Amino acid sequence: AQSVTQLGSHVSVSEGALVLLRCNYSSSVPPYLFWYVQYPNQGLQLLLKYTSAATLVKGINGFEAEFKKSETSFHLTKPSAHMSDAAEYFCAVSGSNTGNQFYFGTGTSLTVIP
Amino acid sequence: KAGVTQTPRYLIKTRGQQVTLSCSPISGHRSVSWYQQTPGQGLQFLFEYFSETQRNKGNFPGRFSGRQFSNSRSEMNVSTLELGDSALYLCASSFSGRGYEQFFGPGTRLTVL
Repeated sequence: AQSVTQLGSHVSVSEGALVLLRCNYSSSVPPYLFWYVQYPNQGLQLLLKYTSAATLVKGINGFEAEFKKSETSFHLTKPSAHMSDAAEYFCAVSGSNTGNQFYFGTGTSLTVIP
Repeated sequence: KAGVTQTPRYLIKTRGQQVTLSCSPISGHRSVSWYQQTPGQGLQFLFEYFSETQRNKGNFPGRFSGRQFSNSRSEMNVSTLELGDSALYLCASSFSGRGYEQFFGPGTRLTVL
């Protein structure tokens, strides 16, 4: 079975500080992992994805994530937070069954303090 | 390339009514998934359609149903609406097969009074 756990439903950082959003996964097959961002009253936008090509994945808006199999983690980071990064972030793993069902974490709300 | 579109964007219904939401996927995408998003439950998977067939189904009552047409457009229907059905309903499309990213529409905000 596939699942993801996002530690910390709310994270606050100062503008210019490091952003670290945590995601741990459980997967019975080699995982495909994704990070999405959601701004208020909008759909989800893909930030980056891991599909086994490289363990360090770079995404849009300066975000990156590192796949660590030994820790079953896929944490999202950004060296310097910007006010525009304030949003809800979701980690997801692709299912192993036929099709393309995603399993999402409960989300982390990021607040950026000026 | 046009993104995923969902109509309508906002709906207000009363308990007991039914509602139909529509989703047009990105051109070339044949997989369409639906999600319900609420503050308390987060993102919950409803179902996935591919080539007019339901391929995966989440844990929702039979009042929630969907279908897909030959042009890959999809609709979901909720019958006998309950207050708890108030939510943002998101549609996502992708290429078929595991590992492809899903592209999301802006959602339909359903309010049940």
